[in-house]
Amino acid sequence: ETGVTQTPRHLVMGMTNKKSLKCEQHLGHNAMYWYKQSAKKPLELMFVYNFKEQTENNSVPSRFSPECPNSSHLFLHLHTLQPEDSALYLCASSQDRAGGGDTQYFGPGTRLTVL
Amino acid sequence: QKEVEQDPGPLSVPEGAIVSLNCTYSNSAFQYFMWYRQYSRKGPELLMYTYSSGNKEDGRFTAQVDKSSKYISLFIRDSQPSDSATYLCAMSRGMLGNQFYFGTGTSLTVIP
Repeated sequence: ETGVTQTPRHLVMGMTNKKSLKCEQHLGHNAMYWYKQSAKKPLELMFVYNFKEQTENNSVPSRFSPECPNSSHLFLHLHTLQPEDSALYLCASSQDRAGGGDTQYFGPGTRLTVL
Repeated sequence: QKEVEQDPGPLSVPEGAIVSLNCTYSNSAFQYFMWYRQYSRKGPELLMYTYSSGNKEDGRFTAQVDKSSKYISLFIRDSQPSDSATYLCAMSRGMLGNQFYFGTGTSLTVIP
């Protein structure tokens, strides 16, 4: 496997379900991100982890719960979601370092539908 | 005011045309500028990456950055139907712990 992988690719869940999205990066990066992508809107940054520590939480509702057990893996735990949470959820990674010069690499995304 | 502004289109051109895609931004601290291509139902893939002002060319693609005008462009020469996708601009300050700021994306269709 190379790059950034995400599973599952598609997920349909009811509002009372609990599910998890998984992301894995094989690039040796130290920063990982969750984004939400809805139609006609810019990518919405949800969470940032740097060296397994959460550095950003962009006012995301508590029904989304991230977990980063190591620099290569990132999870997004979902529970009691709303239909408006239906979107493409993208994971990305980058080599965050002083002096910048890095960029982000994205996974293929998980298409989430909440019924 | 949004950090990054991008015309969502849609943009439709005939095969072989030159395509110009643009973004404007408000934060003069941005130093790194990226263009991503996103096919339907796929994640964004990095297309071009530029530091500061100037031009960068890669095959049929040219990225331009004008920091004085806070304006970036992506040109696609000899456009192909396979270029049909959504193009996202992105930028960052390039600092440790920095964030990336994205445009809404421009939808491009190249008609054979």
